Amino acid sequence: DADVTQTPRNRITKTGKRIMLECSQTKGHDRMYWYRQDPGLGLRLIYYSFDVKDINKGEISDGYSVSRQAQAKFSLSLESAIPNQTALYFCATSQTGGSYGYTFGSGTRLTVV
Amino acid sequence: GENVEQHPSTLSVQEGDSAVIKCTYSDSASNYFPWYKQELGKGPQLIIDIRSNVGEKKDQRIAVTLNKTAKHFSLHITETQPEDSAVYFCAAQHSGNTPLVFGKGTRLSVIA
Repeated sequence: DADVTQTPRNRITKTGKRIMLECSQTKGHDRMYWYRQDPGLGLRLIYYSFDVKDINKGEISDGYSVSRQAQAKFSLSLESAIPNQTALYFCATSQTGGSYGYTFGSGTRLTVV
Repeated sequence: GENVEQHPSTLSVQEGDSAVIKCTYSDSASNYFPWYKQELGKGPQLIIDIRSNVGEKKDQRIAVTLNKTAKHFSLHITETQPEDSAVYFCAAQHSGNTPLVFGKGTRLSVIA
């Protein structure tokens, strides 16, 4: 089983719909992140959480919200999806206590029509 | 905040040649610099990292160099192989309590 699991892998939704992307991890890491990938724009940070009670906005948080339900689970919601939120979304985790590399999930490809 | 510039955006090399990808960062206090490889249909995977107290690090065919004075760091891949074809991302981190900031990526194609 993957260390960081994202569901769904692919999703097509209509403009205005609410959608939730889920992330769960078995790494035992406290820190979790949501990034968005667009061609030519790299990986941009949406939200991050350093522990269950901690939520922080990233570079591009407008139009998104998150929920940290447990140490192992971090969900990303689009309250009212719009076409320019069509992108590849990645969840990642990292250890606490210093600078460490991230472990990424396999991504969710979201298309808003 | 930190800003990371990555060049080139695309790179094609012949199999067996070397490839070099360069990144610059803006925050002189940044102290951790990882590199990620993203294969098609997968998430980015950490391949090598370097900390600010080290100037160079090697792992088989890949190496990373860091020039703190110039605020740039580079990924070097020697004896490239077709399986090295992927998108590569550099990143920088100010401290252990701030998230990584990524470059925009380099698409490397190794031509057999």
